[in-house]
Amino acid sequence: GENVEQHPSTLSVQEGDSAVIKCTYSDSASNYFPWYKQELGKRPQLIIDIRSNVGEKKDQRIAVTLNKTAKHFSLHITETQPEDSAVYFCAANNTNAGKSTFGDGTTLTVKP
Amino acid sequence: AAGVIQSPRHLIKEKRETATLKCYPIPRHDTVYWYQQGPGQDPQFLISFYEKMQSDKGSIPDRFSAQQFSDYHSELNMSSLELGDSALYFCASSQGTSGSFNEQFFGPGTRLTVL
Repeated sequence: GENVEQHPSTLSVQEGDSAVIKCTYSDSASNYFPWYKQELGKRPQLIIDIRSNVGEKKDQRIAVTLNKTAKHFSLHITETQPEDSAVYFCAANNTNAGKSTFGDGTTLTVKP
Repeated sequence: AAGVIQSPRHLIKEKRETATLKCYPIPRHDTVYWYQQGPGQDPQFLISFYEKMQSDKGSIPDRFSAQQFSDYHSELNMSSLELGDSALYFCASSQGTSGSFNEQFFGPGTRLTVL
């Protein structure tokens, strides 16, 4: 089955700096890669996603890159704000199977 | 906009009791997924249903069973509860599974505490 590794497990940045979270996956059949933000006790919220036919996608301060050959994808947050502080999960998904396999999560802390 | 509804939001049970968690997907979503998230853990996939049929199975214990009904809502039945079953249980829904757009929308979760 799919195995997703996520790094780092914790990340602390100063407000205004950039944050980068990296994930690798094992199943070459995975073709959909969502990123979720989860605040304590709340549901995971989709913040951005990318499909395997695209190398990069950007939405305001958030961008995701995908290297299908190397089986890794990354989340980039620029101009971080304290409200970006949360746990971020990457996931890999084979749309033919449907289920998402999550990374272990990255706790991002943005210091004002 | 309508979201995924889960009930109950909180549930406290004793060891060896049973529990039933309910999930109501977003209207016109035909696929439901169940995830278990322990404290400080990532969500672990349990089971999914597409058009009322089980579509995939993950790390769901034999003590648990689930089904999707004709109105597309789903129930997760948990028997012989153990302390380790204490977790947040999320339901997510999406529209279709096979080769189509697969964004999953998560419900608010049910927090199960087993004493």
